[in-house]
Amino acid sequence: LAKTTQPISMDSYEGQEVNITCSHNNIATNDYITWYQQFPSQGPRFIIQGYKTKVTNEVASLFIPADRKSSTLSLPRVSLSDTAVYYCLVGVYSGGGADGLTFGKGTHLIIQP
Amino acid sequence: GAVVSQHPSRVICKSGTSVKIECRSLDFQATTMFWYRQFPKQSLMLMATSNEGSKATYEQGVEKDKFLINHASLTLSTLTVTSAHPEDSSFYICSASDLRRGPLSTDTQYFGPGTRLTVL
Repeated sequence: LAKTTQPISMDSYEGQEVNITCSHNNIATNDYITWYQQFPSQGPRFIIQGYKTKVTNEVASLFIPADRKSSTLSLPRVSLSDTAVYYCLVGVYSGGGADGLTFGKGTHLIIQP
Repeated sequence: GAVVSQHPSRVICKSGTSVKIECRSLDFQATTMFWYRQFPKQSLMLMATSNEGSKATYEQGVEKDKFLINHASLTLSTLTVTSAHPEDSSFYICSASDLRRGPLSTDTQYFGPGTRLTVL
């Protein structure tokens, strides 16, 4: 079971780029890395998913080094509305079990004006 | 695409009553649905995994007779909290995935908006 470690909280300002790193030292060969965003009293929202190197979509980029023992979510030009808890989830549902579906404590990102 | 709904969004009930929460995938077929519970200022905790047409798999420490899960179709799963007590008050969240592409799937979980349960 790949355990993840993230900073508990981060602060930044509007317009800045924010990078949140997640450590997952015992990631397995088949595991994918997925990041979610959660606002209070809402379900998590999918942000981005990757396996290796770099993935980019319209809202974020995900950087994964060659050893895959960590990953970094990059949010370009954040705004106040990006204040939320961000979770990285590592694993894959193998059909026979739910390994990798354990959410860590997440990172509470606070964006200030 | 990939929209998941939950109903009700909020429910208040008396201790001892049962409450049913519905989770629906609106625009895709979900072979697998997951049920989570989240207490204030804490992370999501997986309660059980529900596969369409088969019995749910419960995580350690979750009472299957108390939290009844039914996944009768590819678009609907229900969680029934039986004989609810105040300690069951929590935020219940479901997620859905379509895992028919193979035994090891990268398919993402898509989450519902959650149901706030308050037991008086």
